[in-house]
Amino acid sequence: EAGVTQFPSHSVIEKGQTVTLRCDPISGHDNLYWYRRVMGKEIKFLLHFVKESKQDESGMPNNRFLAERTGGTYSTLKVQPAELEDSGVYFCASSQVWGTTDTQYFGPGTRLTVL
Amino acid sequence: GESVGLHLPTLSVQEGDNSIINCAYSNSASDYFIWYKQESGKGPQFIIDIRSNMDKRQGQRVTVLLNKTVKHLSLQIAATQPGDSAVYFCAETTGNQFYFGTGTSLTVIP
Repeated sequence: EAGVTQFPSHSVIEKGQTVTLRCDPISGHDNLYWYRRVMGKEIKFLLHFVKESKQDESGMPNNRFLAERTGGTYSTLKVQPAELEDSGVYFCASSQVWGTTDTQYFGPGTRLTVL
Repeated sequence: GESVGLHLPTLSVQEGDNSIINCAYSNSASDYFIWYKQESGKGPQFIIDIRSNMDKRQGQRVTVLLNKTVKHLSLQIAATQPGDSAVYFCAETTGNQFYFGTGTSLTVIP
């Protein structure tokens, strides 16, 4: 069974540009999560989808970040316009059951560098 | 906000020795804790979990200890192997979001 996949693995953009990250969860997993780790700091929650609905988006930094999950399958996270402080590794995770006590399977992450 | 931190950002151990990675948390209402292992180029992988009604749980070569009195969590790795070299994260939750620590980098010296 394929795990969680993310694309691209790396992205280098200039301040003010737009970047879209993609996450493909494990097939059949209704729950999809986005996290971000800024260099040397903790992994921080961004948002949680249950199927196509945003269950919790309290961790989204600001309105420059837009996450979608049309059709309840893959998800995209768009940053527009990107700022220097958006640099970091963006992780996606998925789980089968709703509830944080269900194991979340993480993707390899997308390393975003904003110059 | 939540505060989940690690006492040591780096840890080096000799192959074959036991490793202990520590984690402090601040929310006494947290009732579920997980340890994740992140190898280079990969995402965090689940290692072991523990609920707040337990103080110890054992897996294969790993043991998690929970001390709710001092809000402390530890991960013990027995007979550490080179493949154990990675960054280890603890995470806590009250049932809503997960809060992660900053990570401890474990290096195993052959």
